[in-house]
Amino acid sequence: GQQLNQSPQSMFIQEGEDVSMNCTSSSIFNTWLWYKQEPGEGPVLLIALYKAGELTSNGRLTAQFGITRKDSFLNISASIPSDVGIYFCAGSTTRTGTASKLTFGTGTRLQVTL
Amino acid sequence: DSGVTQTPKHLITATGQRVTLRCSPRSGDLSVYWYQQSLDQGLQFLIQYYNGEERAKGNILERFSAQQFPDLHSELNLSSLELGDSALYFCASTGHRGRDYGYTFGSGTRLTVV
Repeated sequence: GQQLNQSPQSMFIQEGEDVSMNCTSSSIFNTWLWYKQEPGEGPVLLIALYKAGELTSNGRLTAQFGITRKDSFLNISASIPSDVGIYFCAGSTTRTGTASKLTFGTGTRLQVTL
Repeated sequence: DSGVTQTPKHLITATGQRVTLRCSPRSGDLSVYWYQQSLDQGLQFLIQYYNGEERAKGNILERFSAQQFPDLHSELNLSSLELGDSALYFCASTGHRGRDYGYTFGSGTRLTVV
């Protein structure tokens, strides 16, 4: 099945550093979502983006919906140990309020060292 | 607790067998989605049900089937199991609440086929 291209595949950073990751698609999406998954748990929604060019923040997390609607970016500022996990982007072809299946990225595994 | 309940949490079974995974959606949510996550991979959409009716189908094998019952819980049936079916199986539910995308995942069922 289709998966979105997500990079980097993994990151090892020191506590306090900023993190950037991105997600690209060959097709257009109308909604972009970013999830975090920890071991033994399901993905947890971090940020949802509904409009091309939109920039949305959730605490230390900031995500952007690419203007072409084929990409999205997630930044984490001043990383802390609890940021450890796998971050997934996901796209949907439907718009706000009409949920549909999600196409997921391949994931970025983040490790934070003290 | 996300509000989406999946049982069992772990399942070990032999090749050729049949298993049933169960999902109870978040209270009030009418849509249930099933996803498969193989080792270190993103999630692949399998199937969606809305208020008892099949709404969308993804890369679901013919050996797999699902249904949603009048009380809105859903079951995913996997038969003639093969080693490659070993994976995490997640259920998600959504409501239709405007900009609250409400896509909530359960903790998953880890299926091991031996």
